[in-house]
Amino acid sequence: GQNIDQPTEMTATEGAIVQINCTYQTSGFNGLFWYQQHAGEAPTFLSYNVLDGLEEKGRFSSFLSRSKGYSYLLLKELQMKDSASYLCAVKAGGSYIPTFGRGTSLIVHP
Amino acid sequence: NAGVMQNPRHLVRRRGQEARLRCSPMKGHSHVYWYRQLPEEGLKFMVYLQKENIIDESGMPKERFSAEFPKEGPSILRIQQVVRGDSAAYFCASSPSTGEPYEQYFGPGTRLTVT
Repeated sequence: GQNIDQPTEMTATEGAIVQINCTYQTSGFNGLFWYQQHAGEAPTFLSYNVLDGLEEKGRFSSFLSRSKGYSYLLLKELQMKDSASYLCAVKAGGSYIPTFGRGTSLIVHP
Repeated sequence: NAGVMQNPRHLVRRRGQEARLRCSPMKGHSHVYWYRQLPEEGLKFMVYLQKENIIDESGMPKERFSAEFPKEGPSILRIQQVVRGDSAAYFCASSPSTGEPYEQYFGPGTRLTVT
């Protein structure tokens, strides 16, 4: 099976930078996704990492270290609308079905 | 360019009734996945289907739950004789393929409340 850990909740200030970590234990790693989910809405795709390193996409960046079983999502220039749950999901073991973590609820304060 | 569509958005059923949840994938997508999300919990995989085939139903309870994706029409998740514990948000996702990276596109979900 897979074990995916994320902090339950984080708070940050508008305009700041926040890093949301995700650690995983799995065999046959085959990619890691980050999704954003606003309350009562569908998850929306943010990023996909399969190789080590940093992928930057606008205000959002995602980092992966396969040897450490570790990823983070970096959000810059935080806006109030970034208040949401951020889901880390891992594909592994030849499965095409990603396993989702419980998500990190980010609260952005003015 | 319609995304993944689910209906109804909200469904209330009394214990013992049947619930039918519908999902129309994005145009051009032939893979459908159903997930269940309980409050304060992550998305739990239930079943993966392609047209007329169930590929993986390892996450679906053996009793009362069934899913189909017919050649024509939407995918249906059916819950018979619902119980209070079935109250949850049910999300459908679709993808064009299982290759890389092929993220899943999620629908808005159906929130099922069992009274």
